[in-house]
Amino acid sequence: SAVISQKPSRDICQRGTSLTIQCQVDSQVTMMFWYRQQPGQSLTLIATANQGSEATYESGFVIDKFPISRPNLTFSTLTVSNMSPEDSSIYLCSVRTGNEKLFFGSGTQLSVL
Amino acid sequence: DQQVKQNSPSLSVQEGRISILNCDYTNSMFDYFLWYKKYPAEGPTFLISISSIKDKNEDGRFTVFLNKSAKHLSLHIVPSQPGDSAVYFCAASEVENYQLIWGAGTKLIIKP
Repeated sequence: SAVISQKPSRDICQRGTSLTIQCQVDSQVTMMFWYRQQPGQSLTLIATANQGSEATYESGFVIDKFPISRPNLTFSTLTVSNMSPEDSSIYLCSVRTGNEKLFFGSGTQLSVL
Repeated sequence: DQQVKQNSPSLSVQEGRISILNCDYTNSMFDYFLWYKKYPAEGPTFLISISSIKDKNEDGRFTVFLNKSAKHLSLHIVPSQPGDSAVYFCAASEVENYQLIWGAGTKLIIKP
């Protein structure tokens, strides 16, 4: 298993600004992911955060909007850039520890006004 | 195109009774299925899984049933307890790529 600390837990932001979400894991993990859950929707994978190289983005998500850093095997950040109300969602950091199961952080509830 | 569907947004069950949460999928290449549970202000936590070589997996009060021909799985909780009130997500993957495809979740409410 893995213990994941994600912050902030929630934020209210103004349109056009950016927010950086941090994810810290208590052990080294290879696979680290960022998800989004829009209201009433399923979890959608934004990108896989790769240590030492650029993140791998899923269809519909681009680096300019969601830049990701992964400086080491225990830490990653996701930035939501130039926010609009449509970005209001829960953002979740997750890791996989050797099998198909994912462990999640507690999430960041983002509201954009 | 929703490959994993949970058609019931919410379900209300009396404490002590059986809760049955359903999940349908369209991709016949899925061969691993998981259920996650999510409380408010927390991330989802793994509950139970099943691979396509089985049709049933049991863990305490939780049992998952898989019907491959119908592309349907269900989670049974017996007996239901107030602490089971949460949102339950079904997820599926093809073993080769491990990427999970998620349903939209079912909010389970256990009434005392």
